[in-house]
Amino acid sequence: DVKVTQSSRYLVKRTGEKVFLECVQDMDHENMFWYRQDPGLGLRLIYFSYDVKMKEKGDIPEGYSVSREKKERFSLILESASTNQTSMYLCASSTGGTGELFFGEGSRLTVL
Amino acid sequence: GDSVTQMEGPVTLSEEAFLTINCTYTATGYPSLFWYVQYPGEGLQLLLKATKADDKGSNKGFEATYRKETTSFHLEKGSVQVSDSAVYFCALRDSGAGSYQLTFGKGTKLSVIP
Repeated sequence: DVKVTQSSRYLVKRTGEKVFLECVQDMDHENMFWYRQDPGLGLRLIYFSYDVKMKEKGDIPEGYSVSREKKERFSLILESASTNQTSMYLCASSTGGTGELFFGEGSRLTVL
Repeated sequence: GDSVTQMEGPVTLSEEAFLTINCTYTATGYPSLFWYVQYPGEGLQLLLKATKADDKGSNKGFEATYRKETTSFHLEKGSVQVSDSAVYFCALRDSGAGSYQLTFGKGTKLSVIP
């Protein structure tokens, strides 16, 4: 069965802390994505990657960076967390042809 | 740019009622269209999809038809169950070269009461 695994379901951090969110997929997918989900705003794309070491900005990249050193792993980094980054973060992967995204269960981040 | 508009919720229905969730889109090319579902406490999962005009996607009793003339992809189910309570997202993937990402609507929360 296909699997996208996010390292932490729930995190609580303080303002100014550096935060790492990890995502691993076992489907050998080329494409990986980070979205954030907020009530009333739906899903908004932060960054995506279509190959190892490649990254593209999405709609809301400010305050975030990403790293993809291996095909199966895509990390989202908050260099200095702020309260407005409190949200649900969803990782997804896809292969080129179908466009279908496979999602992880999400990481709920609270920044105090 | 691409966009997806879906009806705002929340929607509350009684068990066995008929469900329609409206979705319309704007795209520059010939998009593929998707419905995703998010059950409480879980990530999103694909419910159904359609890749060209007049295609009908179906799964678990849900259906949606790709209507190019009205740029719509409305989700329907004839008889909902309590277990269908979830948030439903309409999404599109445009057909342009290098189109890796999906554009999502804001989601519609459905609650089905016994």
